[in-house]
Amino acid sequence: KQEVTQIPAALSVPEGENLVLNCSFTDSAIYNLQWFRQDPGKGLTSLLLIQSSQREQTSGRLNASLDKSSGRSTLYIAASQPGDSATYLCAVRQASGTYKYIFGTGTRLKVLA
Amino acid sequence: SAVISQKPSRDICQRGTSLTIQCQVDSQVTMMFWYRQQPGQSLTLIATANQGSEATYESGFVIDKFPISRPNLTFSTLTVSNMSPEDSSIYLCSVVGGNSYEQYFGPGTRLTVT
Repeated sequence: KQEVTQIPAALSVPEGENLVLNCSFTDSAIYNLQWFRQDPGKGLTSLLLIQSSQREQTSGRLNASLDKSSGRSTLYIAASQPGDSATYLCAVRQASGTYKYIFGTGTRLKVLA
Repeated sequence: SAVISQKPSRDICQRGTSLTIQCQVDSQVTMMFWYRQQPGQSLTLIATANQGSEATYESGFVIDKFPISRPNLTFSTLTVSNMSPEDSSIYLCSVVGGNSYEQYFGPGTRLTVT
């Protein structure tokens, strides 16, 4: 059974700092991995999608990497801003023909002005 | 990308009553899902909403408690039946679409049961 873990659970950093969020999964047979952002009480916004054949994806200040064999993904945020404060979730889709995603536990990020 | 709307955005309900949540997508999609997010927790999949047939429920979720309808490829409803305070959560509708099978979410429905 796939399990997805995110470390750290919470993170507080000063504005301008570069930071890394981690996502680990137990079953490396995945189809893709997606990173989301969730603001308090809101829905999820898709940030980046990495296919299993890819090593990384970039969008603006965000870079996500995938090491499928070791069951890890990282989300790198450059030059963090207070507006980046949110909960970040990773989710994996199994390669077994299902369209279901398994979600991680999330990292609550607070960027201090 | 798909644009998803949900109604209501939030509600406060009495114990023992039922609430129906609507999910509308701006384009036809094959795969539609309902998730629950309990306070301070991550997302848990309730069921896959299948067009024209019964939904496929995950372990721990049953049709009597969470009946789902999917009359067409752009619309679905989730009913939370006989509510108790433990049902207080955010309920989220999602779809999978596009060439990359990316997942998109609606804004969620925040339910409080008193």
